[in-house]
This record gives sequence, structure tokens and C-alpha cells, in this order.
Amino acid sequence: NAGVTQTPKFQVLKTGQSMTLQCAQDMNHNSMYWYRQDPGMGLRLIYYSASEGTTDKGEVPNGYNVSRLNKREFSLRLESAAPSQTSVYFCASSTRGATYSNQPQHFGDGTRLSIL
Amino acid sequence: ELKVEQNPLFLSMQEGKNYTIYCNYSTTSDRLYWYRQDPGKSLESLFVLLSNGAVKQEGRLMASLDTKARLSTLHITAAVHDLSATYFCAVDTSGGSNYKLTFGKGTLLTVNP
Repeated sequence: NAGVTQTPKFQVLKTGQSMTLQCAQDMNHNSMYWYRQDPGMGLRLIYYSASEGTTDKGEVPNGYNVSRLNKREFSLRLESAAPSQTSVYFCASSTRGATYSNQPQHFGDGTRLSIL
Repeated sequence: ELKVEQNPLFLSMQEGKNYTIYCNYSTTSDRLYWYRQDPGKSLESLFVLLSNGAVKQEGRLMASLDTKARLSTLHITAAVHDLSATYFCAVDTSGGSNYKLTFGKGTLLTVNP
């Protein structure tokens, strides 16, 4: 039972390079999310996709783009990486709708990204 | 702007002692979630609190929600070393669709022998 799978688990980039973080879930969830976690900051929402075909900005979207490829996959792209984007990135998924709000968001294992 | 404040941010306890972590939030919501994170690991769901007065218990942890006071508590009873982790509360501001959570900064709990 894989749940939410993120790739890669670790990555080192140079300033200005681009990369895409991949996320896939096998729980048939409608909603998917990208967060970043920095020391002492908790988790901050970057982008989310409430359902297939829609994406919306979260709290810290600058410097990122997302693609909801299909119901299972939600990718996060850094077009021109900056040292300030060094962080741990978590993908999550959830069911959607008031009927299902007793279900929490389910998280992947994270991608540890360093930008030099 | 929604604010979710946890306190304390750091908590060092002795085994066998009791303590409470507080989570205050600044906007109306009746849905609150508690997560646990071990170092270098993912987030694990602990409790889902969906209404005023909700109380959930699992082992040595008990969570409650007071929506009128905009306050949730996570009470630890007779702490053991295995409870050492970072605990996050998160508030759902989406009106029940659970697709937008705002997290507190987390409480790093260390339980010492």
C-alpha cells in the first residue's frame, strides 16, 4: 500500500538550474498539495489542486509552478532555483467534500532539496 | 490572515510527567488536525477534531477542541521516551472540504528518562 510517493528523495542543485519534483498517490484522492518545511516555520502551502484540472496558489507560490497531470499525479517545478528554495518539500493528498472531512491529509516521505 | 500559534515550541519533559500543548487559531473553523513528525520522517495523522467539544484519545495522548475559544489542546499523560517527536496542529479553513490546511510551527517534544 504505497499511499503518496515522492521522487526524488534527495537532490542538490546549483542556482539557476531547473527541476521537477514528482508526486503520485494511489488512494483515489481528489485533492493534492505541495508544502515546504523550513526549520521553525512549520509547513507552508505552496500550491494545491482541489480536483483534477484545477490548481490554486497557496501561501508561498512565488518561484514555483505546478501541473496536475491526472488524478494520481501532481508535480512541482522550480524554473530557476534559488538558495532560498532550499527546503524539505512534502506532497499530500486527501479526499474532498464535507462528507469526507473526517479524513486527514496523507503525506509523502518528502524531498530534501539543497540549492547551492 | 489566518494565524495558527502553538505553544510551547520546545518542551522537555521527564518520563512519567503530564503536560499540555496548546494550539490557538485566529479565524472561525470547526476542523482541526494533529500530526506527529519524527526526525527526518513524514507527517503521521494523530487526531481529527470536527466539532466544538470534540475529544479524541489514543494511548497517552488526548486532544480536544473548543471552537468558541479557537483553541485545541494535546494532553500528554505519563510521558514515555517514544513520544519524543514534533507535534503539529493544522486548521482547515476551507469550510469543510479539507483542501486547505494552515499549520502551526510545531512543538518539539523531548521526553527524558
